[in-house]
Amino acid sequence: NAGVTQTPKFQVLKTGQSMTLQCAQDMNHEYMSWYRQDPGMGLRLIHYSVGAGITDQGEVPNGYNVSRSTTEDFPLRLLSAAPSQTSVYFCASSRQASGNTIYFGEGSWLTVV
Amino acid sequence: GENVEQHPSTLSVQEGDSAVIKCTYSDSASNYFPWYKQELGKGPQLIIDIRSNVGEKKDQRIAVTLNKTAKHFSLHITETQPEDSAVYFCAATGTSYGKLTFGQGTILTVHP
Repeated sequence: NAGVTQTPKFQVLKTGQSMTLQCAQDMNHEYMSWYRQDPGMGLRLIHYSVGAGITDQGEVPNGYNVSRSTTEDFPLRLLSAAPSQTSVYFCASSRQASGNTIYFGEGSWLTVV
Repeated sequence: GENVEQHPSTLSVQEGDSAVIKCTYSDSASNYFPWYKQELGKGPQLIIDIRSNVGEKKDQRIAVTLNKTAKHFSLHITETQPEDSAVYFCAATGTSYGKLTFGQGTILTVHP
């Protein structure tokens, strides 16, 4: 039972490079989201999706793009990496409707130098 | 938007003692309040949650209380064990879509 799978686990980027963090879930969840976790700040929502073809911005969307072409996948793209994007990124998914359990992936550690 | 404050930021207890972590929220429309435990190098895992139509919920050694009037909710862990050591996050949401607003986290250390 895979749940929410994120790749890569670790990545080092140079400033200005682009990359994509992959997220896949096998629970047929409608909702998927990306959070970043920084020391002393908890987790903050970057982007979210309520279903295939639908995405919207969260609290800290600048510098990130997302797409949702399938129910299973929700990749996060960094177009031009900046040191301020050094963080731990978590993908999450849940079933439709408020109050359903939100499941998190294991995280992707990104360092931008 | 929603703002969630969590206290304390660190908590150290002896094995067998109780631990209490408190959170306040700002948006009276919030109606779902989960608590997550995060171990080193892992993603957050849901340990207990409460909805706004309930004042208290228990699951073995953990319990959560909610005071809607005061807009605060608390996590209570009784008979703590070393394996309870982790970072605990509270969160709140008034919408669906998995949009959670998290507190800043509490580092709980349980000393044997």
